[in-house]
Amino acid sequence: DTAVSQTPKYLVTQMGNDKSIKCEQNLGHDTMYWYKQDSKKFLKIMFSYNNKELIINETVPNRFSPKSPDKAHLNLHINSLELGDSAVYFCASRHQGVKRSPLHFGNGTRLTVT
Amino acid sequence: AQSVTQLGSHVSVSEGALVLLRCNYSSSVPPYLFWYVQYPNQGLQLLLKYTSAATLVKGINGFEAEFKKSETSFHLTKPSAHMSDAAEYFCAVSDRAENQGGKLIFGQGTELSVKP
Repeated sequence: DTAVSQTPKYLVTQMGNDKSIKCEQNLGHDTMYWYKQDSKKFLKIMFSYNNKELIINETVPNRFSPKSPDKAHLNLHINSLELGDSAVYFCASRHQGVKRSPLHFGNGTRLTVT
Repeated sequence: AQSVTQLGSHVSVSEGALVLLRCNYSSSVPPYLFWYVQYPNQGLQLLLKYTSAATLVKGINGFEAEFKKSETSFHLTKPSAHMSDAAEYFCAVSDRAENQGGKLIFGQGTELSVKP
């Protein structure tokens, strides 16, 4: 199946731990994103990579670090997790440029920090 | 399992014309349905939601959507388009309310263009 897939779907961890969320897309898109969905259901963009280069880096704590080993992957690593990091994180991808495509979202990763 | 299909990745209307963005869903349980809007260079924001109350739901900026169970649809409409409505719109479905751990399944989005 062609899709944007995120792992894990659920992540429960304690404060202070370091965790990673993985995202992969097999759609041939050149741009990938991480969004954080807050308690009011607002999906806020965190990072965007185009062809492995960081193009959007919103005001996000330095504890969050995206890594794009290739165009098909964009992983999110979070250090020293805090209670406020609890949220649903969505990965998305699209093709930019002349043949710009709609955003394709993953199904989200629900992170709970205790 | 749940899924959402948005018909048409691009919709173009003239200013003042009716806006109709189509969304069909599949769900084995009574669904919760949402429309989100993403303006250029911004994150997504909730436009409106259906949570098993009134089938006609009114949202922000003059948008509304009607839940039709027989058609498994939740189409988004606005009587008169404004230039400022140009954005991407996402339909989403969940099997439960947000405060009950519901997780959203998004459609692939429809880009709305508004011509002067």
